[in-house]
Amino acid sequence: AQSVTQPDIHITVSEGASLELRCNYSYGATPYLFWYVQSPGQGLQLLLKYFSGDTLVQGIKGFEAEFKRSQSSFNLRKPSVHWSDAAEYFCAVGAASGGSYIPTFGRGTSLIVHP
Amino acid sequence: ETGVTQSPTHLIKTRGQQVTLRCSSQSGHNTVSWYQQALGQGPQFIFQYYREEENGRGNFPPRFSGLQFPNYSSELNVNALELDDSALYLCASSPVGENTGELFFGEGSRLTVL
Repeated sequence: AQSVTQPDIHITVSEGASLELRCNYSYGATPYLFWYVQSPGQGLQLLLKYFSGDTLVQGIKGFEAEFKRSQSSFNLRKPSVHWSDAAEYFCAVGAASGGSYIPTFGRGTSLIVHP
Repeated sequence: ETGVTQSPTHLIKTRGQQVTLRCSSQSGHNTVSWYQQALGQGPQFIFQYYREEENGRGNFPPRFSGLQFPNYSSELNVNALELDDSALYLCASSPVGENTGELFFGEGSRLTVL
């Protein structure tokens, strides 16, 4: 069965600093990988996704993530964090099920941004 | 383009009652998934519907059931509510013809069971 580990429950950064959120996955085949963001009281919004090809993927809001098969990782990065980036971030791996792919989510990392 | 809408946004029930949550999928999307998100946790997959048929189910008991209608909207029904059912219930839809797992989420229905 597929699984996702986000080892950091909370991350605190200063505005303008760089950010890296960690994600490790377990899946037997080539994974479909995602990062979603959830602002307080909101649903989840897709930041970026990896299906195949270039292992460095660009997303919305200046985020990027790098797929490293050898490390089973898909870490999310941003060079300069804005206060509006404070939110909950979820990594997910998509597993095949009946012709569709159903994401399994990690428990999330809460990003706190200090002014 | 209208996004995924869910109703009600908040509701309070007592243990043993039944609840129905509703979801309208985004225009052009034919697949609907339901997730349960407990406080401080990631979303947990309940089930997915495609063409009015259940297309995958997570580790949830049978008292969690669902429906999908011809217009692709969906309902989640939970019978015999327990305190642990208190959570944010998220509905997500997926585009026609794309089996990539990318989901478009609604804002959720917050259920409190007393």
